[in-house]
Amino acid sequence: DTAVSQTPKYLVTQMGNDKSIKCEQNLGHDTMYWYKQDSKKFLKIMFSYNNKELIINETVPNRFSPKSPDKAHLNLHINSLELGDSAVYFCASSHNRDLSTDTQYFGPGTRLTVL
Amino acid sequence: KQEVTQIPAALSVPEGENLVLNCSFTDSAIYNLQWFRQDPGKGLTSLLLIQSSQREQTSGRLNASLDKSSGRSTLYIAASQPGDSATYLCAVQTGANNLFFGTGTRLTVIP
Repeated sequence: DTAVSQTPKYLVTQMGNDKSIKCEQNLGHDTMYWYKQDSKKFLKIMFSYNNKELIINETVPNRFSPKSPDKAHLNLHINSLELGDSAVYFCASSHNRDLSTDTQYFGPGTRLTVL
Repeated sequence: KQEVTQIPAALSVPEGENLVLNCSFTDSAIYNLQWFRQDPGKGLTSLLLIQSSQREQTSGRLNASLDKSSGRSTLYIAASQPGDSATYLCAVQTGANNLFFGTGTRLTVIP
């Protein structure tokens, strides 16, 4: 009965490859997010989708492309992976798009290592 | 630009002690502040959310306070237990849907 799930949990790949991370939530939430946690443990929001519509796109290289086939899924595709992409990526969801009142539920994270 | 700092970076306490975790932020124009718990290999769990108009929130043994003018928040954990061992993150929301996280405090409660 996992609320927010991500696959894979660990991903090791070579520079230059293209990879995807999948996220699914079974909470019936309308909004989903992708965060990047760097080596210093800072979490930075990357993207946010509300009902399959992109509402936040922070300063992220266009090698990163989110895809939302439906409101329960938000996948992250990364092209031409670079060493600096190594991090833990967290998916999250919330009931609506207003972070001022709404709690986010986070997935377990995907640790990406680029060699 | 908003910066969120948490001190200390790590904390070890014996079981049963009360403890305080600190969070400071540079821009007081926030919508809310949240405290999260992160367990190794697991996602973040939201513990408490304090709206900018509120001063504190309580949940069980946890009490979080917010002093927006001074840019500070504290998370008070009463009667700590080994199961409280985790990394605690605070995050502030500034602007529409922007959430800035601190670097966290790694708490170890020793049985």
